[in-house]
Amino acid sequence: NAGVTQTPKFQVLKTGQSMTLQCAQDMNHNSMYWYRQDPGMGLRLIYYSASEGTTDKGEVPNGYNVSRLNKREFSLRLESAAPSQTSVYFCASSVGPGSGFASEKLFFGSGTQLSVL
Amino acid sequence: GENVEQHPSTLSVQEGDSAVIKCTYSDSASNYFPWYKQELGKGPQLIIDIRSNVGEKKDQRIAVTLNKTAKHFSLHITETQPEDSAVYFCAANRAGAGSYQLTFGKGTKLSVIP
Repeated sequence: NAGVTQTPKFQVLKTGQSMTLQCAQDMNHNSMYWYRQDPGMGLRLIYYSASEGTTDKGEVPNGYNVSRLNKREFSLRLESAAPSQTSVYFCASSVGPGSGFASEKLFFGSGTQLSVL
Repeated sequence: GENVEQHPSTLSVQEGDSAVIKCTYSDSASNYFPWYKQELGKGPQLIIDIRSNVGEKKDQRIAVTLNKTAKHFSLHITETQPEDSAVYFCAANRAGAGSYQLTFGKGTKLSVIP
């Protein structure tokens, strides 16, 4: 099992460019998440998908869009990148609601380091 | 909403010594408290969690304690080893509320000096 796989691992963009971060999980999890990690800020939730077919905003959704392509894949799109979006992005998944305490554990990918110049 | 504060932000210990990281939370309804470890270049990984129906939980060299009255919980690492060097995040949530409501602390960078 690969777990949660993110691509690319590194990316440099110019201000105004667009790009999509890809995420796939092979654990048959229902819920998927996108976080950003900035120095001294911890992990902040951008968007999440509680189950296939649903997406919702997290704490910092401005400037981002998401697509839950199917149960396995959840992508994050930056339509017009800004320097403030320079960050490390993590995708995560969990079993999902209705699974008792097992649903609480988050499984993270290894991250995408994005620089916007 | 929930607010989780974590201290210290950096911590250096000698190999073999103990390390303690403390977190406080604001929402008295929170009852699930996980700890994640993030090694360099990797994503966070759950290492231990505790629910409010217990005051302490141990797993080998790692233990977590919870004081519901004071609304704080702590991670204790004994006999530290170089491989314990990492960033540690505490978090709080209401069990069953959905992981999207998990609130993280800002992290503690632990360095274990050989």
